[in-house]
Amino acid sequence: KAGVTQTPRYLIKTRGQQVTLSCSPISGHRSVSWYQQTPGQGLQFLFEYFSETQRNKGNFPGRFSGRQFSNSRSEMNVSTLELGDSALYLCASSLSGTGTETQYFGPGTRLLVL
Amino acid sequence: SQQGEEDPQALSIQEGENATMNCSYKTSINNLQWYRQNSGRGLVHLILIRSNEREKHSGRLRVTLDTSKKSSSLLITASRAADTASYFCATGPTYGAGSYQLTFGKGTKLSVIP
Repeated sequence: KAGVTQTPRYLIKTRGQQVTLSCSPISGHRSVSWYQQTPGQGLQFLFEYFSETQRNKGNFPGRFSGRQFSNSRSEMNVSTLELGDSALYLCASSLSGTGTETQYFGPGTRLLVL
Repeated sequence: SQQGEEDPQALSIQEGENATMNCSYKTSINNLQWYRQNSGRGLVHLILIRSNEREKHSGRLRVTLDTSKKSSSLLITASRAADTASYFCATGPTYGAGSYQLTFGKGTKLSVIP
């Protein structure tokens, strides 16, 4: 079974631009979560989607948004990029997103904002 | 906010030695998971231990959980240079069937010297 895939793997943007990151979960997994990892703040939860609905959102500004498609693939968008948005963005999938499951992570998208 | 706190922050050992990392958390949990991350890449799931379990083994890994002390430990036996990585504990809250998110600690950076 293929793992979680994320595209692109690396991205360089300038302040003020917007960016869209993509995540394909493990086949059969319907829950997709996004996390941001920075040296200062560590790993922080962004949001979680299940069946095309956002069920949970972390403490991030509205510039961070996401969506999930009917095939469970997910995208996250960051508008009006700031230098502090430079980070590794990780996507994770699980079967149904209950509190008893393992979350499997993708390789991440490294975003650099100049 | 960070729920799990790993201890020590950094650990350096010789190949063949055992490595022990500890994790403490603050609130009730459904499960606790340990992940490994190599050089800022994606997270690799190591082991999940449920709140009603006290100990779990997987190959050279042994995880213990003490819910009364809100702490867990990860033991890697007979360490290898390839075990060099950052190790994170992550807690899943007691959401039941609803959306759930993992809350990560800041990690322990393990260096295994050949």
